[in-house]
Amino acid sequence: AQSVTQLGSHVSVSEGALVLLRCNYSSSVPPYLFWYVQYPNQGLQLLLKYTTGATLVKGINGFEAEFKKSETSFHLTKPSAHMSDAAEYFCAVRRSGAGSYQLTFGKGTKLSVIP
Amino acid sequence: DTGVSQDPRHKITKRGQNVTFRCDPISEHNRLYWYRQTLGQGPEFLTYFQNEAQLEKSRLLSDRFSAERPKGSFSTLEIQRTEQGDSAMYLCASSLVGQPNTEAFFGQGTRLTVV
Repeated sequence: AQSVTQLGSHVSVSEGALVLLRCNYSSSVPPYLFWYVQYPNQGLQLLLKYTTGATLVKGINGFEAEFKKSETSFHLTKPSAHMSDAAEYFCAVRRSGAGSYQLTFGKGTKLSVIP
Repeated sequence: DTGVSQDPRHKITKRGQNVTFRCDPISEHNRLYWYRQTLGQGPEFLTYFQNEAQLEKSRLLSDRFSAERPKGSFSTLEIQRTEQGDSAMYLCASSLVGQPNTEAFFGQGTRLTVV
């Protein structure tokens, strides 16, 4: 069984400040991890993913995340927030290898950017 | 190809009516997924197809729900005798089998409101 916990349903940052969105996962097998972004009344867009290899992954729009197995975490960061980053962000986990391909999502974190 | 396409984008129906949604995946993708997202929650897995075969179904997919992908291309999701609790965003995603690190690409969703 897999699960995802996103700490903080709502995060506010000032424009230009560091963005940190937290994600912890639980998985009985090595996981694949994803961050998606959702704008109002839109579908989900993939920001970045970790599957194997380098634990620091870079994504679109200046976001990056680090897979820390010992902490079962996959926190999302961006050095400098932009107004266009205001959206809802979802962390998701999928078991690696063949078999079930379903994603298990967290409840999401809504990011507000204050001018 | 412009991505995963869902139709309609919005649907308002009266309780007890049947509704059907359509999803057109990215053309070369042979896996297709349906998720449901209620207000304030992350998407929850409903079912997935590989080509025309429905390989996995969530317990969330009650007997009032049925999904098909008859020719391994587009898919439909039908809800019979709709209930107010069915009000949600229904998201479709697709991916390509054969790539070990493939991710799912999401459509913009169909928002269902049952009144």
